Amino acid sequence: EVQLLESGGDLVQPGGSLRLSCAASGFTFSSYAMSWVRQAPGKGLQWVSGISGSGGGTHYADSVKGRFTISRDDSKNTLFLQMNSLSAEDTAVYYCAKGSYSSLSRNWFDPWGQGTLVTVSS
Amino acid sequence: DIQMTQSPSSLSASVGDRVTITCRASQSITNYLNWYQQKPGKAPKLLIYGASSLQVGVPSRFSGSGSGTGFTLTISSVQPEDSATYYCQQSYSAYTFGQGTKLEIK
Repeated sequence: EVQLLESGGDLVQPGGSLRLSCAASGFTFSSYAMSWVRQAPGKGLQWVSGISGSGGGTHYADSVKGRFTISRDDSKNTLFLQMNSLSAEDTAVYYCAKGSYSSLSRNWFDPWGQGTLVTVSS
Repeated sequence: DIQMTQSPSSLSASVGDRVTITCRASQSITNYLNWYQQKPGKAPKLLIYGASSLQVGVPSRFSGSGSGTGFTLTISSVQPEDSATYYCQQSYSAYTFGQGTKLEIK
């Protein structure tokens, strides 16, 4: 069974940093693109970032470009999201999701993890 | 950026009703359109990919259609467990979600 388990969410002050992790199991992690998708409280879904199966390609939403960095450790079947210069607008539940292909583009996402909550507040 | 617009934003249906949710893209996305279901406090679940392909394990009362800029998700006979918010997502150029459609069962 494919499983994704996020961790690292916390309360952080504006301007602070946080690193999220997503532990994957039940599939050949290195062969699939992975993404982070967030959902602000009471709001819809927003794609944040994606990384190809090889790790050679990454892509970011404009709202996080230059502040967030996606990476993966295929030896540990783990996806990461390093978040810097956080603001209140980054407050959300962050989900990791498995892509359907190794390439970065044109994936559907299945499954998703249960999410981890990031709260940015003073 | 490609914008996705869903309609309606919310709807109420009775058990057994046929329900249709519409998703429109701001430019052609051919068939790179996916549908997800999200229940309160839970992660989204993939229902339909490639505009019309039913994900394994999803009940056959769900179906998707469309191409280009217009797409629909249809539930042929709504069940109580279908109460959820439904999102479309384009994967033609990066990824964008619609704003969601909340389905309430009367």
